[in-house]
Amino acid sequence: DTGVSQNPRHKITKRGQNVTFRCDPISEHNRLYWYRQTLGQGPEFLTYFQNEAQLEKSRLLSDRFSAERPKGSFSTLEIQRTEQGDSAMYLCASSGGEKLFFGSGTQLSVL
Amino acid sequence: AQSVSQHNHHVILSEAASLELGCNYSYGGTVNLFWYVQYPGQHLQLLLKYFSGDPLVKGIKGFEAEFIKSKFSFNLRKPSVQWSDTAEYFCAVNADDKIIFGKGTRLHILP
Repeated sequence: DTGVSQNPRHKITKRGQNVTFRCDPISEHNRLYWYRQTLGQGPEFLTYFQNEAQLEKSRLLSDRFSAERPKGSFSTLEIQRTEQGDSAMYLCASSGGEKLFFGSGTQLSVL
Repeated sequence: AQSVSQHNHHVILSEAASLELGCNYSYGGTVNLFWYVQYPGQHLQLLLKYFSGDPLVKGIKGFEAEFIKSKFSFNLRKPSVQWSDTAEYFCAVNADDKIIFGKGTRLHILP
């Protein structure tokens, strides 16, 4: 399968715990994006990478969120001290040009 | 700041009806415009895109969209919808290398 892969598909955690999600983009794509989507809303931009460089991070993103792409391949998104408001679908997308290819997302539920 | 506005949150049509979904964006520079679709249980996928040239662009499954620069609009159309078009549709703009999405329009086609 050459699509964008995200793990885990679902994550249930207690408030205050840390969680980490992984995204494996399409191998030749140099850009990788993270989005968050809640019910009834469109994907909300969080951050993106060009190779291993993080080029932009949304101002709406709190310091509890951090993302890495250490070798310009897979990426991780970590949320520290989770809050109930963090419950959402976290989407990863990759691009080799202008078109985004999305993964299936990680559904986070914070209890 | 860049933004995308979709006028209709929920649209219900009968099969064979014509469809037009509105999209307006806010960005002063050169834009690339997209419509993405999310079928039930599936991930987001590209329906069509506009980069330059002919403002009337054709996408998959009989969809088309018209870019009207003076109106900052990129409306999606289909002359005759099918039950299988039931999905959520997202308009998006690529501005400054960030792809910003609208809140989406949920389309429900009655058989």
